[in-house]
Amino acid sequence: AQSVTQLGSHVSVSEGALVLLRCNYSSSVPPYLFWYVQYPNQGLQLLLKYTSAATLVKGINGFEAEFKKSETSFHLTKPSAHMSDAAEYFCAVSDNGGSNYKLTFGKGTLLTVNP
Amino acid sequence: GAGVSQSPSNKVTEKGKDVELRCDPISGHTALYWYRQRLGQGLEFLIYFQGNSAPDKSGLPSDRFSAERTGESVSTLTIQRTQQEDSAVYLCASSLAGQPSTDTQYFGPGTRLTVL
Repeated sequence: AQSVTQLGSHVSVSEGALVLLRCNYSSSVPPYLFWYVQYPNQGLQLLLKYTSAATLVKGINGFEAEFKKSETSFHLTKPSAHMSDAAEYFCAVSDNGGSNYKLTFGKGTLLTVNP
Repeated sequence: GAGVSQSPSNKVTEKGKDVELRCDPISGHTALYWYRQRLGQGLEFLIYFQGNSAPDKSGLPSDRFSAERTGESVSTLTIQRTQQEDSAVYLCASSLAGQPSTDTQYFGPGTRLTVL
């Protein structure tokens, strides 16, 4: 079974600083990888996804993530944090093979942005 | 256009009661998913519907949990004889089909279930 580890349940950055949210997955075969964001009182929204087309994936709102097979990582970054980025972020990985519609999520990282 | 909607948004029930949660997917989406999010945890997959195929129920935690979907529309998740450990946010998602390479799962706002 797949598993996802998000290092740091809470990350705090200053406005304008680099955002780095860490995600490691367990799989011998690179699956599909996702980052979702959940703003307060809203549903989850897809930020970006890796589907093997390119290792560096660009998403919405200036976020990007790099797939590193050797490190089994898919860390999320944004060069300059904005107050509106404050939210909870979830990394997810799909199963392999015929059940690849099934996503396994990490526990989430709450990002706070300080003025 | 309308997104995924869920009702009720909040449900408080007593232990041992049955509850029914509803999900209205995006029109035209053949795939529908239910997840559970316990406090401080990631989302857990519960069940997957794709068109008229037999659903993937592999994530249902016990036989107290069941779900139905009528065609490619509304789905209901039923929890019988609720227990306190069932307290969680139940999330529904839908996608055009069940292909993560091309599809996006769109999530509803969830139903927060509290079992007293």
